[in-house]
Amino acid sequence: DTVLTQSPALAVSPGERVSISCRASEGVNSYMHWYQQKPGQQPKLLIYKASNLASGVPARFSGSGSGTDFTLTIDPVEADDTATYFCQQSWNDPNTFGAGTKLELK
Amino acid sequence: EVQLVESGGGLVQPGRSMKLSCAASGFTFSNYGMAWVRQAPTKGLEWVATISYDGSSTYYRDSVKGRFTISRDNAKSTLYLQMNSLRSEDTATYYCTRVPGSLYFDYWGQGVMVTVSS
Repeated sequence: DTVLTQSPALAVSPGERVSISCRASEGVNSYMHWYQQKPGQQPKLLIYKASNLASGVPARFSGSGSGTDFTLTIDPVEADDTATYFCQQSWNDPNTFGAGTKLELK
Repeated sequence: EVQLVESGGGLVQPGRSMKLSCAASGFTFSNYGMAWVRQAPTKGLEWVATISYDGSSTYYRDSVKGRFTISRDNAKSTLYLQMNSLRSEDTATYYCTRVPGSLYFDYWGQGVMVTVSS
């Protein structure tokens, strides 16, 4: 299976820019997607196919990358962005998720 | 507004069966693939199974093949997951999700908890 590696946690101050990385153990073309999960809630799609903003998601969120290295950027970060962010690839079978990056606000 | 509402979870003994349902509304159900994704307590997300828009194709992760069956009733806009021979490692919150092209999950239900324990 394709392993997706994410850093476990980040802490930033409101108003700053943060980049959350996801590295795949093998190429996934542009089939990388990003989700936000707040405590006690279901995940929410933020970005699909590496760089496409999902419906209703603020333009503060953006995605980039291709192949094996991908980044989710939030600029500027707001207090409400406290959550865990997961990447998911759907190029290789089975589709797999990263373990998540927990974003905390200082 | 797209809504996905799961039901049917609870506590079940190892080796027994359970069936989850997901009632969909706010979109044309028969136009979309659907999937189940699970999350064990304090763990990450894990894809379980996917079904095509018309039910003609189904896909499963290896650990549930032969034990779980995904199905749908387009007339009722409902997705199902029949889980047999349940194991402790199946304990998780199960999410019903909508699958547009490219196999990502654009809408999620609130989830239903399944606990497999004696």
